[in-house]
Amino acid sequence: GAVVSQHPSRVICKSGTSVKIECRSLDFQATTMFWYRQFPKQSLMLMATSNEGSKATYEQGVEKDKFLINHASLTLSTLTVTSAHPEDSSFYICSARGQGTGNTIYFGEGSWLTVV
Amino acid sequence: KNQVEQSPQSLIILEGKNCTLQCNYTVSPFSNLRWYKQDTGRGPVSLTIMTFSENTKSNGRYTATLDADTKQSSLHITASQLSDSASYICVVSAIGDDKIIFGKGTRLHILP
Repeated sequence: GAVVSQHPSRVICKSGTSVKIECRSLDFQATTMFWYRQFPKQSLMLMATSNEGSKATYEQGVEKDKFLINHASLTLSTLTVTSAHPEDSSFYICSARGQGTGNTIYFGEGSWLTVV
Repeated sequence: KNQVEQSPQSLIILEGKNCTLQCNYTVSPFSNLRWYKQDTGRGPVSLTIMTFSENTKSNGRYTATLDADTKQSSLHITASQLSDSASYICVVSAIGDDKIIFGKGTRLHILP
């Protein structure tokens, strides 16, 4: 099946710095990618939807200037958490849908972000 | 309002037993319904996907059903194993997939 890869799987950064998480579709062209965050023992929360080549659509309450999403190619989307704070510590997951995946959305393995 | 409600929130069963998880939705116009399994600290993995015309679909010990009239789906797990301990998420899409609605999941714990 289709594979979506996230990198890094775990990252620790200092408060006030920025950190970038990559999401790659390895064997299909991802026309749409989704970014989520998930706090422990809670459900996935959709942050934004990005279509290749266009600006991301953010969910209500998600700061677009803090969570920068770029989907410049059909195989790569990035999420940059700017000026990170400890409350941004969370599990961030991407998913992708595109050519050849039918109705299936494939998820990445997630990235643990810890801001200290 | 498009919503996906899952029940129960959590479930504990003994290894080897069967269980059924429920998903009710109000998403319209309906396109498809997916069940995902999410292990703790991992990304969700697709179990089944069902469209309007499909009533049942199996994937090994997992069997999903869909009643598009009552807008209900269930995920039945047969002969549970310890590795089935995870969160099970129901995801419903509207036609055009402009909106994808996630349920809050059912946390399943299998005890030896």
